[in-house]
Amino acid sequence: EPEVTQTPSHQVTQMGQEVILRCVPISNHLYFYWYRQILGQKVEFLVSFYNNEISEKSEIFDDQFSVERPDGSNFTLKIRSTKLEDSAMYFCASNGGQPGEKLFFGSGTQLSVL
Amino acid sequence: QKEVEQDPGPLSVPEGAIVSLNCTYSNSAFQYFMWYRQYSRKGPELLMYTYSSGNKEDGRFTAQVDKSSKYISLFIRDSQPSDSATYLCASHSGYALNFGKGTSLLVTP
Repeated sequence: EPEVTQTPSHQVTQMGQEVILRCVPISNHLYFYWYRQILGQKVEFLVSFYNNEISEKSEIFDDQFSVERPDGSNFTLKIRSTKLEDSAMYFCASNGGQPGEKLFFGSGTQLSVL
Repeated sequence: QKEVEQDPGPLSVPEGAIVSLNCTYSNSAFQYFMWYRQYSRKGPELLMYTYSSGNKEDGRFTAQVDKSSKYISLFIRDSQPSDSATYLCASHSGYALNFGKGTSLLVTP
């Protein structure tokens, strides 16, 4: 079965630094997503992306966050100035965008902000 | 906003038991209901998907949605140790999934 791949699997950074989390969605998918899961908490929606623009975002996705599809295969999440509370597992996901369609998740990037 | 509520457990059952996992939701606009399974340090994996009310069966798994009471259930028959994982219910009316907190299930041999 095709997979969403994420790199790195674990990222450690200092507070205030910028981080970029990388994802390669499944090749024929059109919608891309970022979710995060703080330890012991729910998986939370951050943003969805379609046709090179944000289609939906949550209140978590503030000005410190941005997403980009820099080329035909990668999808990135940038956190401009990391805070301690940004420490979480970040999941990338993709699908074809039909309502209720199966969402394929990557294995996640564990971000630790020190 | 607590749109999907789920008892986090943990839930421990012996192998072969029937497992019942449950969630409630608050948003009447939700039409799509899913159950995901998540192993440690992995992304969620879709198990079951239902649209609107009713039952859906897939092997040992049955998903049930009651929209009148805003109640979502997952039943696992003949549970196996390999079913040990965290089970997440999720729902949405558009594209962004609202997840429950997940129920941790342990099936002991």
